[in-house]
Amino acid sequence: AQSVTQPDIHITVSEGASLELRCNYSYGATPYLFWYVQSPGQGLQLLLKYFSGDTLVQGIKGFEAEFKRSQSSFNLRKPSVHWSDAAEYFCAVADDGQNFVFGPGTRLSVLP
Amino acid sequence: SQTIHQWPATLVQPVGSPLSLECTVEGTSNPNLYWYRQAAGRGLQLLFYSVGIGQISSEVPQNLSASRPQDRQFILSSKKLLLSDSGFYLCAWSTSPFAGAQEQYFGPGTRLTVT
Repeated sequence: AQSVTQPDIHITVSEGASLELRCNYSYGATPYLFWYVQSPGQGLQLLLKYFSGDTLVQGIKGFEAEFKRSQSSFNLRKPSVHWSDAAEYFCAVADDGQNFVFGPGTRLSVLP
Repeated sequence: SQTIHQWPATLVQPVGSPLSLECTVEGTSNPNLYWYRQAAGRGLQLLFYSVGIGQISSEVPQNLSASRPQDRQFILSSKKLLLSDSGFYLCAWSTSPFAGAQEQYFGPGTRLTVT
């Protein structure tokens, strides 16, 4: 079965600084990978996804993520963080069946 | 466009009382439907998923149950709530029979507090 780890429980960055959120997965075959964002008390919104092809994927709100098979990673990046990016971020991995597994999440705080 | 609704938005129930949370999807047909629970400060735990009317798969043994009486309606129920049932319940849908081939779209969630 697949699994997802997000090593950072909580990250604080200053507004305008760059951001990288880490995600590592465990899965025997090529995974389907996702990043979601959750604002407090809200549902999850899809930021981006990787199914195949180019390992650098662009998402909404200026986010991007890079799939590195050799490192089993799918890290999320943003060059300049805005105060509105403060939220909880979830990495998820799925196989080609019904198995969709989320990581524990990373809470992002943004300092003015 | 597709939308997903959940209600109620918040719910406070005593231990031992019944539960019924509803989720409906608009703008799509024959979606896959999912119920997740998110405990405070924790990730998402898949509770149930359904690939069609009357077809429910349970991922975690518990005192909760799910039903899909209509194509775009998914209901989460309990006969007797436990304190441990408190959490944020999220409904989601996808368009593919294979969860990995399509992303899931989430509803706004229901905050359940069992007292």
